[in-house]
Amino acid sequence: SQKIEQNSEALNIQEGKTATLTCNYTNYSPAYLQWYRQDPGRGPVFLLLIRENEKEKRKERLKVTFDTTLKQSLFHITASQPADSATYLCALRSYNAGNMLTFGGGTRLMVKP
Amino acid sequence: NAGVTQTPKFQVLKTGQSMTLQCAQDMNHNSMYWYRQDPGMGLRLIYYSASEGTTDKGEVPNGYNVSRLNKREFSLRLESAAPSQTSVYFCASSALAGGRVGTDTQYFGPGTRLTVL
Repeated sequence: SQKIEQNSEALNIQEGKTATLTCNYTNYSPAYLQWYRQDPGRGPVFLLLIRENEKEKRKERLKVTFDTTLKQSLFHITASQPADSATYLCALRSYNAGNMLTFGGGTRLMVKP
Repeated sequence: NAGVTQTPKFQVLKTGQSMTLQCAQDMNHNSMYWYRQDPGMGLRLIYYSASEGTTDKGEVPNGYNVSRLNKREFSLRLESAAPSQTSVYFCASSALAGGRVGTDTQYFGPGTRLTVL
């Protein structure tokens, strides 16, 4: 069966450190993968998109990698700040999953001052 | 630019009651979506509309109906609410044109928290 998995346990890190979140998928043929941020009581907000033929994408303190051999994307926040505390969702658009964007369950990040 | 707006923000229903969730976007987007979000389940697609006048089922369409009223508005109707439909509902839109695998960056509304007793 097709699955997109993110660590359901919260990730707690100290301010200034690099946060790394993982998104694993099985039985998808991905066209691209996206990362979204969701704050409590709000809708998700788009952060970054990485295509199947790209290894890495950067935007300010954010970096996303995509390894289609390992079937995994890593999302990094460098020099993390308490304001980065939120839930981060990965979402995958696949050639073999219809005309839909499929979301993972999200990982909650807590950055402590 | 309000982006994507949803009404109501909160709603409590009794089992068997009906209601319509409203969604509108002012970004001239082609595609619109309805998701539900439950703890530990992530966002699951209920229905989507790739263009005005078309709608398609997503992953969990049972118990719901939708209407793409015009390019701006996409409503979700629960005809006979059940406790299993207690959830947070999000509407989203994207510029993606129907039938194409383009970059589907989605813009979400603030959500409707629905409780069915």
